[in-house]
Order: sequence, then C-alpha cells, then structure tokens
Amino acid sequence: SQTIHQWPATLVQPVGSPLSLECTVEGTSNPNLYWYRQAAGRGLQLLFYSVGIGQISSEVPQNLSASRPQDRQFILSSKKLLLSDSGFYLCAWSEPLWPSGGYTFGSGTRLTVV
Amino acid sequence: ELKVEQNPLFLSMQEGKNYTIYCNYSTTSDRLYWYRQDPGKSLESLFVLLSNGAVKQEGRLMASLDTKARLSTLHITAAVHDLSATYFCAVDANFGNEKLTFGTGTRLTIIP
Repeated sequence: SQTIHQWPATLVQPVGSPLSLECTVEGTSNPNLYWYRQAAGRGLQLLFYSVGIGQISSEVPQNLSASRPQDRQFILSSKKLLLSDSGFYLCAWSEPLWPSGGYTFGSGTRLTVV
Repeated sequence: ELKVEQNPLFLSMQEGKNYTIYCNYSTTSDRLYWYRQDPGKSLESLFVLLSNGAVKQEGRLMASLDTKARLSTLHITAAVHDLSATYFCAVDANFGNEKLTFGTGTRLTIIP
C-alpha cells in the first residue's frame, strides 16, 4: 500500500533562517506531488505541484521554492524565512492523469517563524 | 480560475439532529472530494465523488455530487459529538489539470 511521510512535524525558526521540509511517498511510481499551506484558522492554499522529476509548477509568488530530485521525493525550501511563512504545511500525492483514488495528505509540518 | 465555496462556514448543532453542508464550484468538473480535519491534524479523506449523481455513505455521513448544478452536499444524520471537526470540499479540474482547489471549510461543532 502507499504511504506518505513528511518531516519534521514541528519547526520553530527565526526570521531570515533557511528552511527545508521533506516529503516522500512509498508504494507508487510517478505520483503527482503537491505542497499546500494552511494559515491559522484558514483554508488550504496550493503552493507547488509536480508531475515528474524536475518539473515544478508554482501557484503563487512567494518566498518559497520546491524541488523534486527523485521520483517520490518533494522538498519545500526557503533561503530566508519571513514571519508570514508561518503556517501548517501539507504535502500530498495523487495518481497521475486520473486520480480516482483521490489525493492523500501527509501528517503536516507546523512551522512557526519567530 | 476555479472557485470553490462552502456554506455554512460555522455550524453548531445538537446531537441527534440532521444537517447539510453545501459545496458549490465555478467550473466544469466531475471530480469532487470531501475531507475531515481535526484540530492540529492533517486532512483525512472521507469521500471521492467521480461522476454526476455519485452518492457515497459512510456511517452518519453521506455525500452527493450534481455536476450539472456544480454542487455537492455532505449530509449529517443524527449527529454525534465525535463528528465535530472542520470539513472541506475540494475540486480538481478535468483531465490534464489535476490539482485540488479547496473550499473555505465548515467548522462543525456538535453540542451534547
């Protein structure tokens, strides 16, 4: 069966520090991968998605970047964090082309920028 | 641009009552998903609706999809306290644009 792993679970970082969040999927090949952010008490905003290695689409201009160095690995990064980067970051995967199984989310990373 | 609207945003209901959460979306799609989120937790998939007229039920929850009206409903029957959570609907556009756009969420509180 497929599983999705996301780490770390919690992170407190000072303003201006770098960020790296990692997500890996097991039990599937060539998944679509997604990064979402949820601000406190708000809905979910799509940040990046990827349909293959090295293929990244950005949904909103921001202080973040994403990379997909391997088929089942998706990384969210920042060179210098801002206070507004605080939030709950969720990685998700789906089958390519026709996600009849839906979209499955990781357990999330709660980032607090101080 | 695909827009997804949910209502109500907040819902407080007594145990044993029935209620419906509505999800409207702005563009053609026949793929809609319902998720549950508990405080501080990730999203748990509840229903995957993939065709017009699709109806799925799990316990006290039932979801349906009307693609012509661009409307999905999540019906709660005889609510119990452990259904308290935030419920999100999400839509993806059709083939070639598989990415989820979420509704604003409905925070459901069940009062004993």
